[in-house]
Amino acid sequence: IAGITQAPTSQILAAGRRMTLRCTQDMRHNAMYWYRQDLGLGLRLIHYSNTAGTTGKGEVPDGYSVSRANTDDFPLTLASAVPSQTSVYFCASSDSGGGRGLDTQYFGPGTRLTVL
Amino acid sequence: GQNIDQPTEMTATEGAIVQINCTYQTSGFNGLFWYQQHAGEAPTFLSYNVLDGLEEKGRFSSFLSRSKGYSYLLLKELQMKDSASYLCAVRDQDYQLIWGAGTKLIIKP
Repeated sequence: IAGITQAPTSQILAAGRRMTLRCTQDMRHNAMYWYRQDLGLGLRLIHYSNTAGTTGKGEVPDGYSVSRANTDDFPLTLASAVPSQTSVYFCASSDSGGGRGLDTQYFGPGTRLTVL
Repeated sequence: GQNIDQPTEMTATEGAIVQINCTYQTSGFNGLFWYQQHAGEAPTFLSYNVLDGLEEKGRFSSFLSRSKGYSYLLLKELQMKDSASYLCAVRDQDYQLIWGAGTKLIIKP
């Protein structure tokens, strides 16, 4: 059972470059999320999707875009990377979306991104 | 604004008990979660509280008081593998998770 996979594991990127972080889940969860985690700060939600075909903005969406063409995949794109986007990025998924009930979020292993 | 407060770091001894506190001020409340995160790894789910009281799960227990905006995670019989960060998260009125910065727990022999 893979759960959630993310690629790449880590990446060093020149400022101004375009980058797509990949996330795939095999649990048939409806909802998926992208977070960034920075030292001394809590996880911050970038974008989310409650079901395939829909997306929403989180707390820190600027500079990022997402798509949800199917249930399993939820890529995050940085159109033109800036140094402030240096962070660890986690993808997560949950069963019901919209947060009803327990709706535990399960996390991928993360992508460590450095923008120079 | 929405806010989750946790101590930044705590130290405890192997075999002992430690209590990690979390206070919150959020727009609405639809449950509180505790996650464990080992260094360099993903957060993993530990516990969920939506009603006041204590939820026990093996060596770990979590308590919630909604009127006080307060929760704690209690870890008993500490083991070296419990060295990790513990994240408190509250689901707000829009069913989004608001995360605390986490408490780094250091276990000493």
